Amino acid sequence: EIVMTQSPATLSVSPGERATLSCRASQSVSSNLAWYQQKPGQAPRLLIYGASTRATGIPARFSGSGSGTEFTLTISSLQSEDFAVYYCQQYNNWPLYTFGQGTKLEIK
Amino acid sequence: EVQLVESGGGLVQPGGSLRLSCAASGFTFSSYDMHWVRQATGKGLEWVSAIGTAGDTYYPGSVKGRFTISRENAKNSLYLQMNSLRAGDTAVYYCAREGREGWFDPWGQGTLVTVSS
Repeated sequence: EIVMTQSPATLSVSPGERATLSCRASQSVSSNLAWYQQKPGQAPRLLIYGASTRATGIPARFSGSGSGTEFTLTISSLQSEDFAVYYCQQYNNWPLYTFGQGTKLEIK
Repeated sequence: EVQLVESGGGLVQPGGSLRLSCAASGFTFSSYDMHWVRQATGKGLEWVSAIGTAGDTYYPGSVKGRFTISRENAKNSLYLQMNSLRAGDTAVYYCAREGREGWFDPWGQGTLVTVSS
């Protein structure tokens, strides 16, 4: 099983500032990595796939980078609606997909 | 509009059974691999099962032998039969469509399963 580790567990950032979230895989997943956003009481929403491709309708302030075992989600200028929990997911090993434990992005 | 709607959750005693359903609309259901993912309260996401377009099925060790995923393409429906339920199976269960290469989009709104006496 590929283990996904996200850091930090909680990130406190002020609105308008940049947020950088990390995700590490226990073995290479190439670029087969997705990021999801989840708000309280809602289902996860796809933000990024292929490590760096924004999903339909996702604002340009969200960007993803990385390959292999190290990945980053960057939110360039935080808006109030961006405060949520973010999960990474590897889909390199069909269908034994695994998620990271999540990073909670909170208002500073 | 692509949509997934789960149903069938509820309260069940340990050792009991429950069948979840997921109604799909807005896309050609038979052409997509489908998944169930669960989330215990305050916890992260855990992949529970997958079914391919050919009906092939997959499970993690935590539910293998107890859960059965199935699909009925004529009804655009996905199912999860859960047997021998345990307290640790308590969670919101989401169905999700697999994208072209493995990401999940969209997700349903989820259905809550509570295993308790």
